[in-house]
Amino acid sequence: QKEVEQNSGPLSVPEGAIASLNCTYSDRVSQSFFWYRQYSGKSPELIMSIYSNGDKEDGRFTAQLNKASQYVSLLIRDSQPSDSATYLCAVRGETSYDKVIFGPGTSLSVIP
Amino acid sequence: DTGVSQDPRHKITKRGQNVTFRCDPISEHNRLYWYRQTLGQGPEFLTYFQNEAQLEKSRLLSDRFSAERPKGSFSTLEIQRTEQGDSAMYLCASSASMRAREQYFGPGTRLTVT
Repeated sequence: QKEVEQNSGPLSVPEGAIASLNCTYSDRVSQSFFWYRQYSGKSPELIMSIYSNGDKEDGRFTAQLNKASQYVSLLIRDSQPSDSATYLCAVRGETSYDKVIFGPGTSLSVIP
Repeated sequence: DTGVSQDPRHKITKRGQNVTFRCDPISEHNRLYWYRQTLGQGPEFLTYFQNEAQLEKSRLLSDRFSAERPKGSFSTLEIQRTEQGDSAMYLCASSASMRAREQYFGPGTRLTVT
């Protein structure tokens, strides 16, 4: 069983719409959760981190965490074509030297 | 404050050759990580340093791979006797401390083994 799962996509949304990206994880002791954006051929860029249940907002991005359901999501409001990228969900446990496990990523395409 | 840097950015090598990559973390970061990423996959953990100590290695890391961080600053990742399956993007990331949990990535080194 994969430790961090994401829908591979591609997810297509029209410009100005809300894009919703989802992630589930298997390790119940996980405490830190991250969303990275990765443009084609580039390295991952950290866009959000969340540590406690609930919502965390940063500009057009909102991360949502539900530890009971082992679920984390990223909402992108007013999606722009420049948001077209792969979004990686990453999970860090509190065991064994804070290793971070990445999901396979969801490809997002924002259509002008 | 400069970010994480990696050198070289691209490397093409023939099967059986040895290659070495370098990573310079953000200057005040004492934790350094190596990952490998192939097309369509997320980064896969390889190894991790806290200062000069290598604290964890992935079971996926064969004995052809070795990493060092001799003075707790820059790190090198060496692959001996490269195989075509080693072709991937090799990513380095760093973080400041236990409480600063965020990892910041360098631009990566793309390895192609022919």
